[in-house]
Amino acid sequence: GAGVSQTPSNKVTEKGKYVELRCDPISGHTALYWYRQSLGQGPEFLIYFQGTGAADDSGLPNDRFFAVRPEGSVSTLKIQRTERGDSAMYLCASSRGTNNEQFFGPGTRLTVL
Amino acid sequence: AQSVTQLDSQVPVFEEAPVELRCNYSSSVSVYLFWYVQYPNQGLQLLLKYLSGSTLVKGINGFEAEFNKSQTSFHLRKPSVHISDTAEYFCAVRGATNKLIFGTGTLLAVQP
Repeated sequence: GAGVSQTPSNKVTEKGKYVELRCDPISGHTALYWYRQSLGQGPEFLIYFQGTGAADDSGLPNDRFFAVRPEGSVSTLKIQRTERGDSAMYLCASSRGTNNEQFFGPGTRLTVL
Repeated sequence: AQSVTQLDSQVPVFEEAPVELRCNYSSSVSVYLFWYVQYPNQGLQLLLKYLSGSTLVKGINGFEAEFNKSQTSFHLRKPSVHISDTAEYFCAVRGATNKLIFGTGTLLAVQP
């Protein structure tokens, strides 16, 4: 079956612009996670959805970052007023339930010029 | 708070030699540990996991890891590496709400 997909694979934007990153989880997976991986670092947790609601958003760095999952499937990570420090690989993962293995997508590489 | 330490940022090794990638964790609750591999320009793939039971865990591609509670370690091993094993390896511990807390990664560089 299809794995987790993320679009776009690459996004280049200018400082101050707004961007949206999309994640399509594996069908039937109720849990969805966003992570951010900076160059030379391990992924860092941003936010976790169980169904449509954000169960844990403690990893969002500031109020410029927001994520939604309106129908409990596709999720969008939104970044307002982008800064050069937001440049990173953004990874999405999904799992069948809270305590199940997380499957990762290929990521979206965001570059803020 | 839970954390993971991977002291080796890079491990060079010759093909067909054994390798060990080190991981130490800190956790005050039940420990669930994972090793992920990331090939260039790809997402993370689960190599193996320890949830409970036997402390020696076998994973894909001939890798195994041993959970050592007294030393708070979960080192990854392979008896004979291949060029295709060249990748970044991440150790992770499961935190609250099932989020994964990753180490900084170890680049395994296999040389012919």
